[in-house]
Amino acid sequence: AQSVTQLGSHVSVSEGALVLLRCNYSSSVPPYLFWYVQYPNQGLQLLLKYTSAATLVKGINGFEAEFKKSETSFHLTKPSAHMSDAAEYFCAVTYSNTGNQFYFGTGTSLTVIP
Amino acid sequence: DGGITQSPKYLFRKEGQNVTLSCEQNLNHDAMYWYRQDPGQGLRLIYYSQIVNDFQKGDIAEGYSVSREKKESFPLTVTSAQKNPTAFYLCASRKGRDYEQYFGPGTRLTVT
Repeated sequence: AQSVTQLGSHVSVSEGALVLLRCNYSSSVPPYLFWYVQYPNQGLQLLLKYTSAATLVKGINGFEAEFKKSETSFHLTKPSAHMSDAAEYFCAVTYSNTGNQFYFGTGTSLTVIP
Repeated sequence: DGGITQSPKYLFRKEGQNVTLSCEQNLNHDAMYWYRQDPGQGLRLIYYSQIVNDFQKGDIAEGYSVSREKKESFPLTVTSAQKNPTAFYLCASRKGRDYEQYFGPGTRLTVT
């Protein structure tokens, strides 16, 4: 089955600490990978995407993610957490052979402790 | 500004009534999607449409219906057959295969 797994439904970090949110996909077909952020009662906003170009992808708000084919991973990182980073984060994947379907992880809620 | 609009933001209905959620986009995107979001369950696909007058069921289509008469519009009807309709509904669109989905602001439906 083609899917994406986010490890850790809740992550807490101190302000200024490293943020690491994990995402693994499961398919042998080359993926397109995305990270989205959602603030309460709002839609999803794209943070960054991997579409087979550079494996290290930089996004908005200081976030970046690295595509590692050998680990089937696309973890999201930010060197220094800010209070405004507190939100829900979703990893998503699509494949060239699935038409227009996206597959979303169950989300990780990030709490930033002052 | 280009984007996706969903209306209304909050919607309240009595059990047994059908309700239609609006989704409009002016991004000239071919593909459009409807998702349902419940706490702790991420996004679940209800329906999607790749072109006008064509749409496909997603993972949880039972109790829902859609139409795609215009490229810009993809309304979702929540019917009385949907057992647990209270949820946050998100509409999205996509330009093409190599591109991300763009999301609307969502509609929170409460059925009592």
